[in-house]
Amino acid sequence: AQKVTQAQTEISVVEKEDVTLDCVYETRDTTYYLFWYKQPPSGELVFLIRRNSFDEQNEISGRYSWNFQKSTSSFNFTITASQVVDSAVYFCALSEAWDNNDMRFGAGTRLTVKP
Amino acid sequence: DAGITQSPRYKITETGRQVTLMCHQTWSHSYMFWYRQDLGHGLRLIYYSAAADITDKGEVPDGYVVSRSKTENFPLTLESATRSQTSVYFCASKDGEAFFGQGTRLTVV
Repeated sequence: AQKVTQAQTEISVVEKEDVTLDCVYETRDTTYYLFWYKQPPSGELVFLIRRNSFDEQNEISGRYSWNFQKSTSSFNFTITASQVVDSAVYFCALSEAWDNNDMRFGAGTRLTVKP
Repeated sequence: DAGITQSPRYKITETGRQVTLMCHQTWSHSYMFWYRQDLGHGLRLIYYSAAADITDKGEVPDGYVVSRSKTENFPLTLESATRSQTSVYFCASKDGEAFFGQGTRLTVV
């Protein structure tokens, strides 16, 4: 069965610092999908990115970037020049096929960005 | 409005009572899910459904029942609520990415 580990329970940084959130996954499938979600203090879950197992290209979206490395089974998320509005809980998730039932989440990393 | 909605948003119930959490989506996504969110555990899958009349257990199904008679609805029932079921419950539908409802905060006293 798939498993997602987010070893960092809480991270605190000062505004404008860069921060990387780690995600390590386990799966026996060769086809799988990785996700990151953001949960701000308001509580909703906001989709950030989806990446399939065949695409190891890193992705950048504004201040956000993702580093996918199959060799280490990691899908890390970096926020550059962090802002107070980035304060949230971030979840990494794994799904073993496009329409697979079982989307498993990590325990989440609480990021606090101080002004 | 298009989207996925949960009701109620907040619920307090007593131990032993039956309570049903509602979930409705407007996209006709085949897959729907129920998760519970607890501190230190992230989101844990309770039940999921691949289509109407097809449901299956997730990681933590004990004490919960689901049904899916229509594609757009996926209610979650706690047949006899316990304090350990105090949690925030999220419903989601999936078409590639998962779209989540706003959550239901359930307190069992």
